[in-house]
Amino acid sequence: ETAVFQTPNYHVTQVGNEVSFNCKQTLGHDTMYWYKQDSKKLLKIMFSYNNKQLIVNETVPRRFSPQSSDKAHLNLRIKSVEPEDSAVYLCASSYGTGGYEQYFGPGTRLTVL
Amino acid sequence: QQNVQQSPESLIVPEGARTSLNCTFSDSASQYFWWYRQHSGKAPKALMSIFSNGEKEEGRFTIHLNKASLHFSLHIRDSQPSDSALYLCAVLSNTGYQNFYFGKGTSLTVIP
Repeated sequence: ETAVFQTPNYHVTQVGNEVSFNCKQTLGHDTMYWYKQDSKKLLKIMFSYNNKQLIVNETVPRRFSPQSSDKAHLNLRIKSVEPEDSAVYLCASSYGTGGYEQYFGPGTRLTVL
Repeated sequence: QQNVQQSPESLIVPEGARTSLNCTFSDSASQYFWWYRQHSGKAPKALMSIFSNGEKEEGRFTIHLNKASLHFSLHIRDSQPSDSALYLCAVLSNTGYQNFYFGKGTSLTVIP
């Protein structure tokens, strides 16, 4: 049963465009994450957001930015996409930071032409 | 930064076999260790976790953790075709940001 929802499922765009992806969780969790899963299936943390505190992976380019209206929503904006941004973007949530189980959404597949 | 490696990259086993998947990590202060399973085109889903040295069994699945060797593993008894998936290990790093670092995964195929 899905409790972490992501839209859209797929998005195709051209280099330089701006894109936004949405994520909503109905689990009552207070921590949300964005991961990037590349073509080799490697999952890399991009952001975590807990109690309005944003933790950023320092390797994430500045064109990526998370946006949150409340603890149930964490969106991802990419200002000017580049070909290497093509990947699956996975949203996740958990009860808190630390070793808690993370619940993942189905992902948004981005293709940059 | 935490370095998490998985082996093998892929595995094909017959139905009913015992399967072993391995994960090594680099941060000896790591405290939380998870296995996730991702069926093709689906979201990763948590399978099992272990937090202290030793072994933990849940049904057909067993996790072993040896922190001194920087190694943990997942063993599947009586493998089923429905176990065919990408298995991802995840380790929580205690240095720097407390985030999970994932391995690249082991692709398991169980042949009927």
